Amino acid sequence: AQSVTQPDIHITVSEGASLELRCNYSYGATPYLFWYVQSPGQGLQLLLKYFSGDTLVQGIKGFEAEFKRSQSSFNLRKPSVHWSDAAEYFCAVVPYGGSQGNLIFGKGTKLSVKP
Amino acid sequence: ETGVTQTPRHLVMGMTNKKSLKCEQHLGHNAMYWYKQSAKKPLELMFVYSLEERVENNSVPSRFSPECPNSSHLFLHLHTLQPEDSALYLCASSQDLGPFPEAFFGQGTRLTVV
Repeated sequence: AQSVTQPDIHITVSEGASLELRCNYSYGATPYLFWYVQSPGQGLQLLLKYFSGDTLVQGIKGFEAEFKRSQSSFNLRKPSVHWSDAAEYFCAVVPYGGSQGNLIFGKGTKLSVKP
Repeated sequence: ETGVTQTPRHLVMGMTNKKSLKCEQHLGHNAMYWYKQSAKKPLELMFVYSLEERVENNSVPSRFSPECPNSSHLFLHLHTLQPEDSALYLCASSQDLGPFPEAFFGQGTRLTVV
């Protein structure tokens, strides 16, 4: 079945440490890939997206993500986490040939940042 | 400020009440969406509107009734809800229905059904 998996429900990192959030998808053709962030009490904000081309994508707030076709993964990374990065992060896909009306989200990974 | 405004931010309603959620966008977008975000479940797409016409209804119970009177406004009318309908309801908009234009989300309405 088609799905988006974020294997980590909750991650805690120290401020200044590096971060990697995992996302795997299960689709026949490479879908369009997105990462969103949701701060407490807020809506979702797009961090970055991948459609084609360079497999390393730069986003806002110092985030980047790497698409690996062989692993069906689109992991989100940040070299040095700030306390303000504490939030919930959602990986999402639009199946190839689909539209924003087909946007499918993973269950999210909650990030806590230790001082 | 994302350009998508939802009101109210919080709503408590009884199971016999009728209420409405409002979403407004001034981004000039042509597509609007309602999502439901429940605890421990992925975001669920409920309704999709494009150019004020409903294009998708993901098997949502009839106690949820959407309305899109113009391209800037989207409503979700609620009646005889159940406690399991308590959730964060998010509105979003995008330039069009293609995969490329990103969706902009509102801050959501936290609904509690008692």
